[in-house]
Amino acid sequence: AQTVTQSQPEMSVQEAETVTLSCTYDTSESNYYLFWYKQPPSRQMILVIRQEAYKQQNATENRFSVNFQKAAKSFSLKISDSQLGDTAMYFCAFMKTSGTYKYIFGTGTRLKVLA
Amino acid sequence: DSGVTQTPKHLITATGQRVTLRCSPRSGDLSVYWYQQSLDQGLQFLIQYYNGEERAKGNILERFSAQQFPDLHSELNLSSLELGDSALYFCASQGLAGDEQFFGPGTRLTVL
Repeated sequence: AQTVTQSQPEMSVQEAETVTLSCTYDTSESNYYLFWYKQPPSRQMILVIRQEAYKQQNATENRFSVNFQKAAKSFSLKISDSQLGDTAMYFCAFMKTSGTYKYIFGTGTRLKVLA
Repeated sequence: DSGVTQTPKHLITATGQRVTLRCSPRSGDLSVYWYQQSLDQGLQFLIQYYNGEERAKGNILERFSAQQFPDLHSELNLSSLELGDSALYFCASQGLAGDEQFFGPGTRLTVL
């Protein structure tokens, strides 16, 4: 069975600084997707970034980038130039592509950006 | 706006009651997922439907059931409600590309 672990329940960062959120996962699948979702105080779930496991290049979306280490089963999210609007819960998620599609979410990291 | 709609936004009811939560996926999306998020917790996958058929089941209680209709909207039925069922219930839809899930705004259920 797949598992997703986020070992940092809470983090804080000063505005304009860089922060990295950790995520590790366990799977025997070779093809899968990994995602970071953001849940601001509004509780809406918003996709931040996605990574296909077969792609070696790390995904980047503006100030958000990932460090995908497939062998280590690690998928960390780096937020550069942190903004107050980045304050949110961040969930790491895994989705396998074979058989039954199913998402597995981590328990989340609460990020607070400090002015 | 994700294109996924959920109704109602808020629901307050009493223990022992039954409620129905409704979800309309994005136009063209065949897959619908239901999740439960208790206060300050992660998302628990409940159930997935694909084009009207149940595709996968997660930690869904026997008191809960769901279905997806021919027009692809889905309903989650919660019965014999308990205080612990108070949570935010999300619906998400997934397109043919099969990767990203698009989440609705959620239904906040409060059981008193």
